[in-house]
Amino acid sequence: QSALTQPASVSGSPGQSITISCTGTSSDIGRYNYVSWFQQHPGKVPKVMISDVSNRPSGVSSRFSGSKSGNTASLTISGVQAEDEADYYCNSFTTSGTWVFGGGTKLTVL
Amino acid sequence: EVQLVESGGGLVQPGGSLRLSCAASGFTFSIYWMHWVRQVPGKGLVWVSRLNGDGRTTDYADSVKGRFTMSRDDAKKIVYLQMNSLRVEDTAVYYCVRDRPDWKWGQGTLVTVSS
Repeated sequence: QSALTQPASVSGSPGQSITISCTGTSSDIGRYNYVSWFQQHPGKVPKVMISDVSNRPSGVSSRFSGSKSGNTASLTISGVQAEDEADYYCNSFTTSGTWVFGGGTKLTVL
Repeated sequence: EVQLVESGGGLVQPGGSLRLSCAASGFTFSIYWMHWVRQVPGKGLVWVSRLNGDGRTTDYADSVKGRFTMSRDDAKKIVYLQMNSLRVEDTAVYYCVRDRPDWKWGQGTLVTVSS
């Protein structure tokens, strides 16, 4: 049950697009379309931004989008804003019947 | 409105036990898988366990397997996490989470394992 691999940090200027990757294996991301992305501001509860690879829950800004290719999933924020500065986590279902999270990525808006 | 309220956290000595509860409201409780996820303050999210709607299927992270047991009471709409043989490394905020697709989270309860 190794954690999914995410970059520790990414940054971007307001208005730019940024992408956060999440790399797993053929036993998790590569096997199922059950990848979600969560945003967590300091001291707050995580909030789902993308579910099932690319579905955006009601109320989530259309600037957030998700995709998957092989064993790697990606979260893209188009036109990043100051309020997007937070930690982002991916997760995936696995062939063991368990779920696994990525280590998290800190997004800094310059 | 979906609400998940955890309780039962606190300070416990290594080797001790604790039972967390998660009271659910605002949705049809019995049809959802429920999860526990933990987070050491300042660190990342770690999936702990899940339980299906009829309470018959559970899965656990290797780090807690054999020590933690998840259960549910559909009449009371409560999910439990019985934690035995606690270790210092189990110290974390424990979140109760409703399953995909919209992953609803409780506010969390802090468990501290220390002598």
